[in-house]
Amino acid sequence: DAKTTQPPSMDCAEGRAANLPCNHSTISGNEYVYWYRQIHSQGPQYIIHGLKNNETNEMASLIITEDRKSSTLILPHATLRDTAVYYCIVRLFAWGSQGNLIFGKGTKLSVKP
Amino acid sequence: EAGVVQSPRYKIIEKKQPVAFWCNPISGHNTLYWYLQNLGQGPELLIRYENEEAVDDSQLPKDRFSAERLKGVDSTLKIQPAELGDSAVYLCASSLFVGDTQYFGPGTRLTVL
Repeated sequence: DAKTTQPPSMDCAEGRAANLPCNHSTISGNEYVYWYRQIHSQGPQYIIHGLKNNETNEMASLIITEDRKSSTLILPHATLRDTAVYYCIVRLFAWGSQGNLIFGKGTKLSVKP
Repeated sequence: EAGVVQSPRYKIIEKKQPVAFWCNPISGHNTLYWYLQNLGQGPELLIRYENEEAVDDSQLPKDRFSAERLKGVDSTLKIQPAELGDSAVYLCASSLFVGDTQYFGPGTRLTVL
């Protein structure tokens, strides 16, 4: 599985958009970009994943560059409850594939009033 | 629909004592994972089950750790005897099939004194 690089920490003002970057320059063609977050004292929470097209769900949007070497997770209107560690992970997503999740240290997002 | 359930949430024991953690995955999920998370680090896979079969236990310290998933549903992770370095959060996750999106439980925080 490809390795990812994320900034260790970021701040965001409440109500503003939070844009979390991730570099994955060694991603291969059949690997997806996954985002999880972990709020203090909770288990990781799945947010979103994508292959090459931009994706949006009720939690966030995922923007993947055309060369797929980087991506950005966007929380459109950050709240204090979005304060968490955000993990960007590259993995296979396919029936029968091992595709283990390999977590790095993630980005600690602090949303401030 | 209920998520992944883990118990207990917290456990404090003295070193050399045994301890067990229990996990009930999301209904219908065939694949179950146990992860270890040390303070300030991302989760690391210990073992993966596909139904009742442990198909990836390469990271499980087999001298003191054991796991089982009887009937392919609930799972138990055991440590005997516990050491000071085992203090960590033990996370359980499940997915519909191997390679699908994983959903995590809240974790069990173990403190070994």
